[in-house]
Amino acid sequence: DAGVIQSPRHEVTEMGQEVTLRCKPISGHNSLFWYRQTMMRGLELLIYFNNNVPIDDSGMPEDRFSAKMPNASFSTLKIQPSEPRDSAVYFCASSRGQEPSPLHFGNGTRLTVT
Amino acid sequence: EDKVVQSPLSLVVHEGDTVTLNCSYEVTNFRSLLWYKQEKKAPTFLFMLTSSGIEKKSGRLSSILDKKELFSILNITATQTGDSAVYLCAGGSGGSNYKLTFGKGTLLTVNP
Repeated sequence: DAGVIQSPRHEVTEMGQEVTLRCKPISGHNSLFWYRQTMMRGLELLIYFNNNVPIDDSGMPEDRFSAKMPNASFSTLKIQPSEPRDSAVYFCASSRGQEPSPLHFGNGTRLTVT
Repeated sequence: EDKVVQSPLSLVVHEGDTVTLNCSYEVTNFRSLLWYKQEKKAPTFLFMLTSSGIEKKSGRLSSILDKKELFSILNITATQTGDSAVYLCAGGSGGSNYKLTFGKGTLLTVNP
């Protein structure tokens, strides 16, 4: 199995620019999660989907953040406009969705906003 | 709001030592407790516990859950330098919509 695939691995952008992070979950997994990791706050859940439907986006910091899952094999997390405080590692994870089950993480996207 | 607290935040030991990492949780509609190991990149899954008092074991690592005290521990015996990592604990919650809430992790450093 290819595992969860995220792109890009690194992203450096200037404040005010739009950033799009991409994720391909493991085939057959029907739950997808976006997490953000920083030293100060650890791993925070931003949003998650079941069967391509957003279930809980209460972790999305503000309206500048949006996420979509147009089909079972692809999801995006968009930040527009980006700010320096958005600098973090963003992880995508997927699971079978049958509780309880472990989440499998991608290698993350390291975002730096200058 | 769901909360997972890990202690200690960091720990430095010598090879061969035994360590115990702690995790307490307050999770609504609790279903499971999971442990992950994170080195440079993605967290990798170690254990999932759903029942109290039943130890899960994998090599030198073991873990147990106490659902009455809302607590779990991860033990590592005969530590090696390759065990150096951040160890993350997560509480699994939800009915049909299952999600994980993570603690901030314990940074373990094993010196030769």
